[in-house]
Amino acid sequence: EVELLESGGGLVQPGGSLRLSCEASGFTFNNYGMHWVRQAPGKALEWVAALSYSGSLTYYADSVKGRFTISRDNSKNILYLHMNNLRAEDTAIYYCAKDSPQWLVHYYCDSWGQGTLVSVSS
Amino acid sequence: DIQMTQSPSTLSASIGDRVTITCRASQSISDWLAWYQQKPGKAPNLLIYRASNLKVGVPSRFSGSGSGAEFTLTINSLQPDDFGTYYCQHQGTFGRGTRVDLK
Repeated sequence: EVELLESGGGLVQPGGSLRLSCEASGFTFNNYGMHWVRQAPGKALEWVAALSYSGSLTYYADSVKGRFTISRDNSKNILYLHMNNLRAEDTAIYYCAKDSPQWLVHYYCDSWGQGTLVSVSS
Repeated sequence: DIQMTQSPSTLSASIGDRVTITCRASQSISDWLAWYQQKPGKAPNLLIYRASNLKVGVPSRFSGSGSGAEFTLTINSLQPDDFGTYYCQHQGTFGRGTRVDLK
């Protein structure tokens, strides 16, 4: 059974940084692309970033480009999201999600974690 | 950027009803569309990919259709477990969601 467990969320001041992690199990992690998707309180889903199975191809939403970096450690089955220069509008639950099918990014998120809350406030 | 417009934003329905949700793309996207269901406080769940392919394990009362720029998600005979918010998605763009609640 696929399991995705996010961690690293919390309260941070505007302009601060945070690193989210997503520990994956139950599937061959290094065969699949992965995503981060966020949801501000009471709002719709917003796709944030994705990367291919090897990490060599990365994709970002315009709203986070240049501030966020997605990466992965296939030896540890962990997905990361490094977030810099955080803004109030980055406040959201951040979900990691597994892409399908294998290898490149197809934007079909067939398994999701339960999310980690990031709050940006002074 | 391609915009995805869902309608309606809210839908009230009764158990057993047939429900249809529409998603329109601002330009043709072939069949590169997914549908998700999200219940309050929970992560989303993929229902349909490539516009009409049902994810394994999703009940057959759910179906998707369309290609180009107009797509529909249909729920035949709405069940109590089907209430929630539904999102369409094309690549890095989600629709704004359709909340299905009890009439």
